[in-house]
Amino acid sequence: DQQVKQNSPSLSVQEGRISILNCDYTNSMFDYFLWYKKYPAEGPTFLISISSIKDKNEDGRFTVFLNKSAKHLSLHIVPSQPGDSAVYFCAASVVYNFNKFYFGSGTKLNVKP
Amino acid sequence: EAGVAQSPRYKIIEKRQSVAFWCNPISGHATLYWYQQILGQGPKLLIQFQNNGVVDDSQLPKDRFSAERLKGVDSTLKIQPAKLEDSAVYLCASSMGTTETQYFGPGTRLLVL
Repeated sequence: DQQVKQNSPSLSVQEGRISILNCDYTNSMFDYFLWYKKYPAEGPTFLISISSIKDKNEDGRFTVFLNKSAKHLSLHIVPSQPGDSAVYFCAASVVYNFNKFYFGSGTKLNVKP
Repeated sequence: EAGVAQSPRYKIIEKRQSVAFWCNPISGHATLYWYQQILGQGPKLLIQFQNNGVVDDSQLPKDRFSAERLKGVDSTLKIQPAKLEDSAVYLCASSMGTTETQYFGPGTRLLVL
């Protein structure tokens, strides 16, 4: 039973434009959400997170939006750069339950120069 | 600061053989995780340690997989005997505590023939 879903396996965007990556979840108990970025042959690296008490968190070019009623979160990258080309995973957890992460299947972003 | 170290980086074995992976977490990180990432899927938690105690091993196939964390630092994950479906990347991650950001190692890519 996949509790976190990323329905777009890939996304292609022109350099300088906005990239929007989407993630849906089914467990209403999730209260902490993260995005990880993964380059080939490397482990995932933490990008940005959001707690369920917020609906937006920004860090430079990266913004995560959380819509609890729709059980949906998205990652916006503005402006997109070729170095952003990677696989992006969203993850969700229940903090009091030892923060066990459930990952989506990932979206491969390709930013074209 | 050194990151999470894993070895070997690649391993090819035949089914029914045994294999072991090693992980050295970031110094001072009390929590250690082993994930299995099958091609096209997100990482799935196999086992979580807090110091040298097991917090969660609900998704660890205990008939063939075992893990230990000696002295609350390094950890080994063993598969015996391996099956074809065990082909995956095995990721180790660590965090300061259970509610902190997880930092991933580069992973061990296992191919079972």
